[in-house]
Amino acid sequence: ELKVEQNPLFLSMQEGKNYTIYCNYSTTSDRLYWYRQDPGKSLESLFVLLSNGAVKQEGRLMASLDTKARLSTLHITAAVHDLSATYFCAGRNYGGSQGNLIFGKGTKLSVKP
Amino acid sequence: DTGVSQDPRHKITKRGQNVTFRCDPISEHNRLYWYRQTLGQGPEFLTYFQNEAQLEKSRLLSDRFSAERPKGSFSTLEIQRTEQGDSAMYLCAIERRSSYEQYFGPGTRLTVT
Repeated sequence: ELKVEQNPLFLSMQEGKNYTIYCNYSTTSDRLYWYRQDPGKSLESLFVLLSNGAVKQEGRLMASLDTKARLSTLHITAAVHDLSATYFCAGRNYGGSQGNLIFGKGTKLSVKP
Repeated sequence: DTGVSQDPRHKITKRGQNVTFRCDPISEHNRLYWYRQTLGQGPEFLTYFQNEAQLEKSRLLSDRFSAERPKGSFSTLEIQRTEQGDSAMYLCAIERRSSYEQYFGPGTRLTVT
């Protein structure tokens, strides 16, 4: 079964700095998802990456996918306080008809002034 | 707006009571999923529907849990004889075939005392 690992699990950044969150997955996954979750809230969809080499950007966030390395990254550029949240990556359970997502444990990002 | 509403948003119940949650997909979709999220973890898959057919259930879904989707419209998740370990956020998600994305509702937070 697909396993998804994120690191780091906690990340404290200063405003204006850049950093990358890593997401490794264990077996084939035909899609890779990134979500944002604010405390006490539900999950907000950020990106869906569908193919090797896919890169998507929205504001200060950029996600990429390397299916050969089974690795996705979420890069944060010039962090601002509003980006403080927990970020989850998820792969799609492949090899069946389920299509359910398997999530990592999440990266709790705190951006300090 | 993710196209999914859930009711209630919060539920406090005593151990041993039964509870029922409702998910209303507002927008077009091809699949409906239920996930459970406990504190500090990513969401875990419980079950999913395609139209009114329940096609898959996780091993997490014990005999005390049942989900229905009459006529392929709204869905309900019932937990019988609740236990303290059932305390969690219960999330409903829809998948849109056109975008491959899974959109989550606001969730129902269950507290079992």
